[in-house]
Amino acid sequence: EAAVTQSPRNKVAVTGGKVTLSCNQTNNHNNMYWYRQDTGHGLRLIHYSYGAGSTEKGDIPDGYKASRPSQENFSLILELATPSQTSVYFCASGEGQGNTEVFFGKGTRLTVV
Amino acid sequence: QQQVRQSSQSLTVWEGETAILNCSYENSAFDYFPWYQQFPGEGPALLIAIRSVSDKKEDGRFTIFFNKREKNLSLHIKDSQPGDSATYFCAGNMGYKLTFGTGTSLLVDP
Repeated sequence: EAAVTQSPRNKVAVTGGKVTLSCNQTNNHNNMYWYRQDTGHGLRLIHYSYGAGSTEKGDIPDGYKASRPSQENFSLILELATPSQTSVYFCASGEGQGNTEVFFGKGTRLTVV
Repeated sequence: QQQVRQSSQSLTVWEGETAILNCSYENSAFDYFPWYQQFPGEGPALLIAIRSVSDKKEDGRFTIFFNKREKNLSLHIKDSQPGDSATYFCAGNMGYKLTFGTGTSLLVDP
């Protein structure tokens, strides 16, 4: 079964600090995604990747960086965390273009104080 | 700008009724429309999907009705069960990107 694992599952960070959210997939999928989920906004795409070494901006990339060092791993980096980045973050992986199933992890709840 | 809209933030039905969740979109280039189901504490999971060349897709108790001309679609859940209580996201796809709606929280009362 498809497996996307996120770590940590919960994180409290201080304003101005650096935060790294990690994601690992064992599906051997080329594409990986980072979304944030907020009430009233649904899921919004932050960054995505077509494969190792590639990252692309999604719809709300400001304040975030991404890194795809290998096929399996995709990280989301907040260099200077702000309270507005308090949210639940989901990593996902998929094969081909977006018209196939995308598999999500269980999410990371980030609170920036 | 919300490219995919779900008109109801929440919906309550009785067990055994048909739940109807509505969705509309703006981008004519969307060619694939999945519905994802999410339970508390979990990530979304694909429930059912339709391609823009079709007007109906059925899978067990779940049916998508799609109207390309009107740019809307709906998810019908027949014989709703308490276990169907979850948040449902409509999405539209273009290329590598999925754009999600804001979600509808469905509660099925026993």
